[in-house]
Amino acid sequence: QVQLVESGGGVVQPGRSLRLSCAASGFTLSSNAMHWVRQAPGKGLEWVAVISFDGSKRNYGDSVKGRFTISRDSSKNTLYLQMNSLRAEDTSVYYCVKGRLRSIYYGMDVWGQGTTVTVSS
Amino acid sequence: QSVLTQPPSASETPGQRVTISCSGGSSNIGSNYVYWYQQLPGTAPKLLIYRNNQRPSGVPDRFSGSKSGTSASLAISGLRSEDEADYYCAAWDDSLSVHLFGGGTKLTVL
Repeated sequence: QVQLVESGGGVVQPGRSLRLSCAASGFTLSSNAMHWVRQAPGKGLEWVAVISFDGSKRNYGDSVKGRFTISRDSSKNTLYLQMNSLRAEDTSVYYCVKGRLRSIYYGMDVWGQGTTVTVSS
Repeated sequence: QSVLTQPPSASETPGQRVTISCSGGSSNIGSNYVYWYQQLPGTAPKLLIYRNNQRPSGVPDRFSGSKSGTSASLAISGLRSEDEADYYCAAWDDSLSVHLFGGGTKLTVL
């Protein structure tokens, strides 16, 4: 059974950094593209980033480009999101999501339960 | 404001059929697959439709998707109270090189 468990969320001051982790089970991360999607309180879904099955391609949403980095550790079957220079508008629930296929161009299927990031002084 | 446009709300009575639209452009819906996600209150989203009109195993055939040109739609027939949720369309955009989500449609079953 495919399962994604996010961790690393919390309260952080503006300008600081945070790293989110997503432990995958039931499949191998290197078999699929992987995404991060976020949802601000009371708002809709916003796509954040994607990494291809082999790590060769990474794309980011405009609002996080240059500040966030998506990566993975195949030996740990874990996906990461390094978030730097955090802003109040980054406050959201962050979901780790499995891509349906290897390529970054296709959609997502299995979602984690989410981890909450609050950026506040 | 989302590049993929959905009505913010929809409502219908139990047993009836409702359709939710998703309007985009040539670089997203017009040239890529459309996906639909259902988010029940307080839970993570769930894949409902992939590749425009395909249902993952476990999704009832009351849910169907279609696409025509730069627009897509999700139809739900035989509405039930448990269908009350937020529904999102999504697609890759070739010009922006990003995945896009629609703004979401809140479905109320009256």
